[in-house]
Amino acid sequence: DTAVSQTPKYLVTQMGNDKSIKCEQNLGHDTMYWYKQDSKKFLKIMFSYNNKELIINETVPNRFSPKSPDKAHLNLHINSLELGDSAVYFCASSPRGTGGYGYTFGSGTRLTVV
Amino acid sequence: KNEVEQSPQNLTAQEGEFITINCSYSVGISALHWLQQHPGGGIVSLFMLSSGKKKHGRLIATINIQEKHSSLHITASHPRDSAVYICAGVGGFGNEKLTFGTGTRLTIIP
Repeated sequence: DTAVSQTPKYLVTQMGNDKSIKCEQNLGHDTMYWYKQDSKKFLKIMFSYNNKELIINETVPNRFSPKSPDKAHLNLHINSLELGDSAVYFCASSPRGTGGYGYTFGSGTRLTVV
Repeated sequence: KNEVEQSPQNLTAQEGEFITINCSYSVGISALHWLQQHPGGGIVSLFMLSSGKKKHGRLIATINIQEKHSSLHITASHPRDSAVYICAGVGGFGNEKLTFGTGTRLTIIP
């Protein structure tokens, strides 16, 4: 069983479209994250949720809206896609209050906006 | 300025060589992950360190809290070690977001 699973793995779409990326973890972790890896391979935090509650929003455009229906799921919806949104998006999870132990990443979603 | 600085950016070595990748971090980071990313692949945490030294197979990670510095060593390097290695700082208990270094692209030549 995959611990942190993201779908889809690849997503190619046109500018202006709206798309969603789904993430699910079966580790029982309380905290989930979205990270973005840009074309230079640099990773940066976007959002963090703890047990369905948003705790970190790192100056991400309003076009990005995370949704956590329960603590095992954290989805990312992107409105009005722009060329600059092309990147690899990684979901991750960790147990809360462990100082970072148990961090687990999904396999990534490569988003290409054309 | 990034809170986590990593060097070198690129490293090419012959199979069998001893490899060292360095990472420096700023105040506010309580622990460090060493991550591995293969081309087109996902990210795997190799180690998480808040003090001392950890070893797993041919990989050794050390951290010096006073100097805010960590190193990842690979002994008897092998072409399958070729990957990007990234150090990432943890904000602390209750703030486990990661702040990443820029990564080191390691290529081991047979």
